[in-house]
Amino acid sequence: DGGITQSPKYLFRKEGQNVTLSCEQNLNHDAMYWYRQDPGQGLRLIYYSQIVNDFQKGDIAEGYSVSREKKESFPLTVTSAQKNPTAFYLCASSTTSGVTDTQYFGPGTRLTVL
Amino acid sequence: AQTVTQSQPEMSVQEAETVTLSCTYDTSESNYYLFWYKQPPSRQMILVIRQEAYKQQNATENRFSVNFQKAAKSFSLKISDSQLGDTAMYFCAFMKTSGTYKYIFGTGTRLKVLA
Repeated sequence: DGGITQSPKYLFRKEGQNVTLSCEQNLNHDAMYWYRQDPGQGLRLIYYSQIVNDFQKGDIAEGYSVSREKKESFPLTVTSAQKNPTAFYLCASSTTSGVTDTQYFGPGTRLTVL
Repeated sequence: AQTVTQSQPEMSVQEAETVTLSCTYDTSESNYYLFWYKQPPSRQMILVIRQEAYKQQNATENRFSVNFQKAAKSFSLKISDSQLGDTAMYFCAFMKTSGTYKYIFGTGTRLKVLA
């Protein structure tokens, strides 16, 4: 079955540690995205990538880093520089055909800083 | 810059009745897409319906339909024959068709369907 997987589902981090959230898709989509969701707020874009080996900052990129070495994978690293990392993180992907660039989402990762 | 506003933080509806969720947006673009996504308690984001701005006809998907008013920049979602499984957060989203493929999301409306 085609889809987007995120792992782990729950992640706990001590302050000062870097952690990496995984996102994999087998939809053959060119574009991938990372969002952060906080209570009472919509989704805010962290980073996005429209092609392998290229990515751009979104609205709240500070304290995060990404890589896009493979089309299928777009891991997100939450660094110790992120002051308030506890949140729900969603990964998405889409085509870039310009016809119907609907984003499809993974199940999310809940990150908690202890 | 584009903005998306959902002015109803919470709504409730009786099972089998109809409810309308509001969304307004601001843009200077002429071509764009609008979306409604559903996020149930599982937190999986699910596409409900999509509307291309160049199409005058309102999109429909089974019990879900939209009222797209381009001049007024309004994009409301109507859910007919509401079911308990419709209980979820609903997000309106905007995407322009030129340049980057970035979505702008509203803050969401929490809908509760009552038995």
